[in-house]
Amino acid sequence: GESVGLHLPTLSVQEGDNSIINCAYSNSASDYFIWYKQESGKGPQFIIDIRSNMDKRQGQRVTVLLNKTVKHLSLQIAATQPGDSAVYFCAENSDDYKLSFGAGTTVTVRA
Amino acid sequence: GAGVSQSPSNKVTEKGKDVELRCDPISGHTALYWYRQSLGQGLEFLIYFQGNSAPDKSGLPSDRFSAERTGGSVSTLTIQRTQQEDSAVYLCASSSSGVSEAFFGQGTRLTVV
Repeated sequence: GESVGLHLPTLSVQEGDNSIINCAYSNSASDYFIWYKQESGKGPQFIIDIRSNMDKRQGQRVTVLLNKTVKHLSLQIAATQPGDSAVYFCAENSDDYKLSFGAGTTVTVRA
Repeated sequence: GAGVSQSPSNKVTEKGKDVELRCDPISGHTALYWYRQSLGQGLEFLIYFQGNSAPDKSGLPSDRFSAERTGGSVSTLTIQRTQQEDSAVYLCASSSSGVSEAFFGQGTRLTVV
């Protein structure tokens, strides 16, 4: 079965608000995590990654938080924009290269 | 082009027919991955190629599935005797320095009728 899962399949957010997308994983040996964004008709696009020796990493308008104690990570998007509407996947890597993906959260931004 | 290219973008085939899906990775990328994405699901790992090493085929769901990578570049995923449950989007990705920088193609949407 899958080792990575997302708490909610859908998220509706008002434009300008902050978004928080959650993900739980079950493999305590996982040491590397990635968030991908997938727009309709396109392949997944890398957003941000984090290694298990960190608990927070920031990018442009995005922050990833990792809580290894409860095996949980989240993606925060600041000042959500219409272009942020997409499906967001978390993925974990416990082998050298094989990523395991969750089912995804569909984010819809309301104007 | 600069990105990963997959063809065809859409494929409709009859049950029992064979199909071939093609992936042109980014030039110079030594690693190539195939994933399958069913409707509303995450990405399911199928196979991984790295340079001249033997591929990791552990994700292939049945012996009807096979993949090749010729000359360390173009890859072909072949599905024999297609079944309706094979309907999905098949995604290819390539990487030069580990999975963190894997770039995905736009996928091939396969529909088996």
